[in-house]
Amino acid sequence: DTEVTQTPKHLVMGMTNKKSLKCEQHMGHRAMYWYKQKAKKPPELMFVYSYEKLSINESVPSRFSPECPNSSLLNLHLHALQPEDSALYLCASSQPYRVEKLFFGSGTQLSVL
Amino acid sequence: AQSVTQLDSQVPVFEEAPVELRCNYSSSVSVYLFWYVQYPNQGLQLLLKYLSGSTLVKGINGFEAEFNKSQTSFHLRKPSVHISDTAEYFCAVSDGSQGNLIFGKGTKLSVKP
Repeated sequence: DTEVTQTPKHLVMGMTNKKSLKCEQHMGHRAMYWYKQKAKKPPELMFVYSYEKLSINESVPSRFSPECPNSSLLNLHLHALQPEDSALYLCASSQPYRVEKLFFGSGTQLSVL
Repeated sequence: AQSVTQLDSQVPVFEEAPVELRCNYSSSVSVYLFWYVQYPNQGLQLLLKYLSGSTLVKGINGFEAEFNKSQTSFHLRKPSVHISDTAEYFCAVSDGSQGNLIFGKGTKLSVKP
């Protein structure tokens, strides 16, 4: 199984809502990543977890809260988002520091109203 | 720090014509180089990568790229494109130390019949 599965595929939320994005992999990878991609822009790294610990936080606002409950699962909790947070959120996984074998999920398209 | 420049934001080409998508990078250390393809509303798929060794790298779907250290380039080529190659193409770089990728701004390849 070489898949990174993201759910939901689409999400519409209001600015006062709380929602979560989920990412799962069963490749035994111990590094997991969240990227944000705005329309017609490249992906930008948000967070990296290595061995279930947060290793990189690219100065992301606190309204985005990542969680890595186990080595297969990565969540992104969303609260009080702004319309400019509307984007494609991509999850990826690899062995730590092995980006040459990085696998991406198909993303969650988020719209904030 | 590394950076990536994709010189063309859009490349229109006719079906069965050859194509080259240009990528230049900047880094003070040895790097890994990647080309990814993204179809509309989907995640990123790895086309090919250069880690070391032979400077000519062959990837999926008939694409290839050549690493040129003196010109700090990693241009992507295909001798004959198909309509199905219409997509966004991203060049990316990593030095392997931070466990993440730095993406270029992307090149939209449009193949016309």
